[in-house]
Amino acid sequence: AQSVTQPDARVTVSEGASLQLRCKYSYSATPYLFWYVQYPRQGLQLLLKYYSGDPVVQGVNSFEAEFSKSNSSFHLQKASVHWSDSAVYFCALSPQGGSALGRLHFGAGTQLIVIP
Amino acid sequence: NSKVIQTPRYLVKGQGQKAKMRCIPEKGHPVVFWYQQNKNNEFKFLINFQNQEVLQQIDMTEKRFSAECPSNSPCSLEIQSSEAGDSALYLCASSLISGNTLYFGEGSRLIVV
Repeated sequence: AQSVTQPDARVTVSEGASLQLRCKYSYSATPYLFWYVQYPRQGLQLLLKYYSGDPVVQGVNSFEAEFSKSNSSFHLQKASVHWSDSAVYFCALSPQGGSALGRLHFGAGTQLIVIP
Repeated sequence: NSKVIQTPRYLVKGQGQKAKMRCIPEKGHPVVFWYQQNKNNEFKFLINFQNQEVLQQIDMTEKRFSAECPSNSPCSLEIQSSEAGDSALYLCASSLISGNTLYFGEGSRLIVV
């Protein structure tokens, strides 16, 4: 079975500060990993994805994430946040093969509040 | 801006009424997923298609929910008899091939009163 854990339900940072949103996963192999963002009253927007290769992946709006197989983690980072980054961020996992290919397993989400 | 188009953005239905949502996947994407996101931000996979064929669906979808993706028409998800517990955001997503990245629409928010 696979699962995704986002241990922080809410994170508050000041504008211009650095950010790390944590994501841990449980899966027997290396999965596909994603970070999505959801702004109020909107759908999910893809920030970045990891399939294989370089463990550091770059995404939109200067977000990046680092995959760690040893720690089963895929933490999201940003060097300097802007008030417009306030939203809910979801980490998600997809198995790489089998009948469940493509089905996403989501974490509970982390609400990011950026104080101007 | 999302290239997956979902309509309507909001719908309000009474218990027992039908509720129908539509989705136009991104052009060239043969795979379509439907998810339900509840108020606690829990996502539930409902059904997925590749072209017009159902790949997988959960039991709930088989009983009160119906979905289709006809050729040259929007995909649709319909709840035959709405229940209060169906109140949620219904998200449609599409991808190039199963296992590839999912791109989501803005969602259809159903409120069952």
